[in-house]
Formats: sequence, C-alpha cells, structure tokens
Amino acid sequence: DVVLTQTPVSLLISLGGQASISCRSSQSLVHSNGNTYLHWYLQKPGQSPQLLIYQVSNRFSGIPDRFSGSGSGTDFTLKISRVEPEDLGVYYCLQRTHNPPTFGGGTKLELK
Amino acid sequence: QVQLKESGPGLVQPSQTLSLTCTVSGFSLTSYDVHWVRQPPGKGLEWMGGIWGDGSTAYNSALKSRLSISRDTSKSQVFLKMNSLQTEDTAIYFCTRLDAWGQGASVTVSS
Repeated sequence: DVVLTQTPVSLLISLGGQASISCRSSQSLVHSNGNTYLHWYLQKPGQSPQLLIYQVSNRFSGIPDRFSGSGSGTDFTLKISRVEPEDLGVYYCLQRTHNPPTFGGGTKLELK
Repeated sequence: QVQLKESGPGLVQPSQTLSLTCTVSGFSLTSYDVHWVRQPPGKGLEWMGGIWGDGSTAYNSALKSRLSISRDTSKSQVFLKMNSLQTEDTAIYFCTRLDAWGQGASVTVSS
C-alpha cells in the first residue's frame, strides 16, 4: 500500500501567519491516465473532514484562495496564508491514485 | 444537495458483528462511489473500503477478511458489515463520497 508521510505532525501558527504542510508519498501518485489524485482535507474539532483541495491544486467549492496546493510525483504541499481561527484543526492528505486509497497521518494546526 | 447519513448501533459486544447503514440523497449510487472511513478516538483516518458506481467493491487489506460492503440502489443505501469485532474497532465510522461526508456514527465495542 502507498504510505503518505505528513510533516510536521503539529504546527503552531499566529493568526494572520502562513502555514505549510508537506505530504510525501512512498511512490509516484501520477496515474496512468496522467492525473494525480492527491487531495487535502481539514477536520475541525468535533466535525467530519471536509475537502479543501482535490487533484493537487484545485480548490473545492467554497474554499477560499488562502488555501493552495502544489507538488508533483511524490512530494506535495498545502499552504494556508493569512491563517484565521476557523482554519484550526487537523489536516490530512489522501491519495486515490493507487488502490487502496490511503491517508496521511495528519497535521494538527494550532494557534501560537 | 448531497447528503450522507450513517445509522447503526452505538454499542457492539466483542466478537459480534457491526452493521451500519449509510443513507444518501442528492446523488445516485450508480454514478458515484461511496466509501467507509473510520477514526479511532484521538487517532487519524483509516480508509476501510468502498463500493463503486458499477457495484464493484474494494477493501483495506487489513480488514478484508472481516468486512463486507453492499448497497441497495432503490433505497439509496450503502451497508457495512464487519464481523469479529474487538475493542480496537471502537471508532467513529464515516460514510463518505470523499467530497462529501456524513456526520459519523460512534461505535463502541465493549461487553
């Protein structure tokens, strides 16, 4: 199975600051059809996960442009600029290129 | 509006079988895949398995021997059955289209 390693495990950020989360895959996430199925989720405390970014860099409906995704192959990054209180929670990456789908271990974003 | 809602028992005895139902609305099960994801207390997300629009299924290899996912398209329902439950199966079980999630069903395995 594909292993996704997220770093850091936790992140202390000031309001208005910028956060960067890495997700590294044990193998390339480029599908045979040329697409890369690497997605990002945020799970706020006590809530279900919500989709933020799909296929590396596409913001899901209603997601502000403070969230951006980038990367290719095995290395991917989620950046959150101008952090707001509602951005706090645990961020997960998910790959769907290879079966079975697998999640990263999560990165907890907290206020400094 | 896409919605998913899990239902099932909150408490299951060790060695028994867990049965959960996911009732969906706002989309057709023949057009979208639906997955089950679980989260033990204080831990991360684990993909358990899914059922695709064509009815095919896939399972986490660690759970495959105990897990079954099926559906009733006429009722817009997806079912999870997992046998031989142990305390480590205590978790919140989410039904998800991966772009939309249910609220989760809390399941405790205890005698």
